Amino acid sequence: AQSVAQPEDQVNVAEGNPLTVKCTYSVSGNPYLFWYVQYPNRGLQFLLKYITGDNLVKGSYGFEAEFNKSQTSFHLKKPSALVSDSALYFCAVRGNYGGATNKLIFGTGTLLAVQP
Amino acid sequence: NAGVMQNPRHLVRRRGQEARLRCSPMKGHSHVYWYRQLPEEGLKFMVYLQKENIIDESGMPKERFSAEFPKEGPSILRIQQVVRGDSAAYFCASSPGTGGSNEQFFGPGTRLTVL
Repeated sequence: AQSVAQPEDQVNVAEGNPLTVKCTYSVSGNPYLFWYVQYPNRGLQFLLKYITGDNLVKGSYGFEAEFNKSQTSFHLKKPSALVSDSALYFCAVRGNYGGATNKLIFGTGTLLAVQP
Repeated sequence: NAGVMQNPRHLVRRRGQEARLRCSPMKGHSHVYWYRQLPEEGLKFMVYLQKENIIDESGMPKERFSAEFPKEGPSILRIQQVVRGDSAAYFCASSPGTGGSNEQFFGPGTRLTVL
């Protein structure tokens, strides 16, 4: 069965420092991987995705993620954190590659807190 | 280009009542997904629909829950005889096609509170 793990409930980082939000996955076949961000009482906003090609994917708001097949990881990174980056971040993988469904399987989320 | 629209944004129901949640996908999108987010948890897939067809309902509770996406009008998630455990945020997402590489665009959610 496909699954996604976000091992950290919360990540704390000082403004201006680099940040990493971790994600590992378990799927059969080649994964389609996504990162979304959720601000309080809002829906999810798409940040970036990995489908194929370069292992380093660049997305919105200066975020990037590195796909590592051998470690089955897709960690989200940003070189310099902003206070406004504070939010809940979700990693997701597309499930059921052999069938017609496109459902996303989400991790439990990581709360990013950036201190001024 | 309007995003995914959901209404109502907040819905309060008493136990035993019915809840109807509506979702209008982005223009040009024919695929709709419903997810539920329980307090302090991630999103859980419920159902995937195309116009007039349910493609995958593997995440739907077997009783009281139903979904439709008619030829005309929004997608509807219907919860009959609500219970307190149904209190959650319900998110709708849409995508333009069947390609698994297509990202899903999410609406703002409907927050259901069952008293």
